[in-house]
Amino acid sequence: DAGITQSPRYKITETGRQVTLMCHQTWSHSYMFWYRQDLGHGLRLIYYSAAADITDKGEVSDGYVVSRSKTENFPLTLESATRSQTSVYFCASSEPVGRGSGDEQFFGPGTRLTVL
Amino acid sequence: RKEVEQDPGPFNVPEGATVAFNCTYSNSASQSFFWYRQDCRKEPKLLMSVYSSGNEDGRFTAQLNRASQYISLLIRDSKLSDSATYLCVVESQGNLIFGKGTKLSVKP
Repeated sequence: DAGITQSPRYKITETGRQVTLMCHQTWSHSYMFWYRQDLGHGLRLIYYSAAADITDKGEVSDGYVVSRSKTENFPLTLESATRSQTSVYFCASSEPVGRGSGDEQFFGPGTRLTVL
Repeated sequence: RKEVEQDPGPFNVPEGATVAFNCTYSNSASQSFFWYRQDCRKEPKLLMSVYSSGNEDGRFTAQLNRASQYISLLIRDSKLSDSATYLCVVESQGNLIFGKGTKLSVKP
């Protein structure tokens, strides 16, 4: 089915480990995004990508790495996980009709990450 | 001033009530505005876009006041299924900025 999927849906890891969260969309949307959602902060942008091989930092990018070798995939890697990275991570995609990426975004179901 | 501000609530209302949510934003150059709905432990989903002329979708009405940098969402005849968190979203410098959300709980 068309849509945007994330895996894993739940992940528990330990401090210092590398973790990769996967995101896949079947709409061929140009833009893809990674957000984290924490109590008291709302959704905060980690990284976004305007197209394959083009990525940009968001508000809270420290400690995260992304890549986009294919339009449909946008993995997010925590290079050395810390407890402060315990959060719910949402991937999103959009196909802008106007300038930039400020149009409707479609979200994946989220990944709940716990760092012990 | 934070980019997008909302009253966090919670708003506890009886079925059939009318409830209004407000949101203010700081970037006067913002071009796009949205209300998203997020159910507990689910992803955000677009509820409606907000246009300068105001727009209505069934029981939901959204208004934009560019001069005051203010957005509102009105829900009439509240249903139990309207219980959720409502996120005010504003475009800023090409990206979407999400408010922290206003929680609505509709009671029987």
